[in-house]
Amino acid sequence: AQSVTQLGSHVSVSEGALVLLRCNYSSSVPPYLFWYVQYPNQGLQLLLKYTSAATLVKGINGFEAEFKKSETSFHLTKPSAHMSDAAEYFCAVSDLGDTGNQFYFGTGTSLTVIP
Amino acid sequence: GAGVSQSPSNKVTEKGKDVELRCDPISGHTALYWYRQRLGQGLEFLIYFQGNSAPDKSGLPSDRFSAERTGESVSTLTIQRTQQEDSAVYLCASSLVSQGPYEQYFGPGTRLTVT
Repeated sequence: AQSVTQLGSHVSVSEGALVLLRCNYSSSVPPYLFWYVQYPNQGLQLLLKYTSAATLVKGINGFEAEFKKSETSFHLTKPSAHMSDAAEYFCAVSDLGDTGNQFYFGTGTSLTVIP
Repeated sequence: GAGVSQSPSNKVTEKGKDVELRCDPISGHTALYWYRQRLGQGLEFLIYFQGNSAPDKSGLPSDRFSAERTGESVSTLTIQRTQQEDSAVYLCASSLVSQGPYEQYFGPGTRLTVT
């Protein structure tokens, strides 16, 4: 089974600073990778996904993530944080099983943006 | 088009009562997932349906929990003899298919409070 590790359950950045949220997965075969965002009292919304095309994936709201096979990582970045980026972020993996799959979610990282 | 919808949005029930939560997936999506999210925590997989295949029930926490889905349409999650530890937000998600680079689309969730 897959597993997803998100380092840092809470991350605080100043407005305008770089956002870096870390995600590592366990798989010997490159999986499909996703980042979701959950704003307060809302459901999860897809930010971006990696599907084995370009290793640098651009998503909504200025976020991007880079797939690094050698590091089994898929860290999420944004060059300049905005107050509206404060939310919970989840990394997820789906594997390439033949009989269907379930998504494996990380435990989430809560992002606080300090004015 | 319409997204994933869930009802009710909020449910308060007394300990020991049964509750039914409903999920309407996106039309044409063959895969449907249920998750539980306790306050301040990540997503806990409960059950997943893929077309007419037998559901993956590996995440159901006890035999008080059950779910049904008719074909590729509505799903209901039933919790019998509710306990206070069942209090959480229950999220439903659907996906075009369960394999491959297809992201999950989440509903807004049902907030269940057991008093």
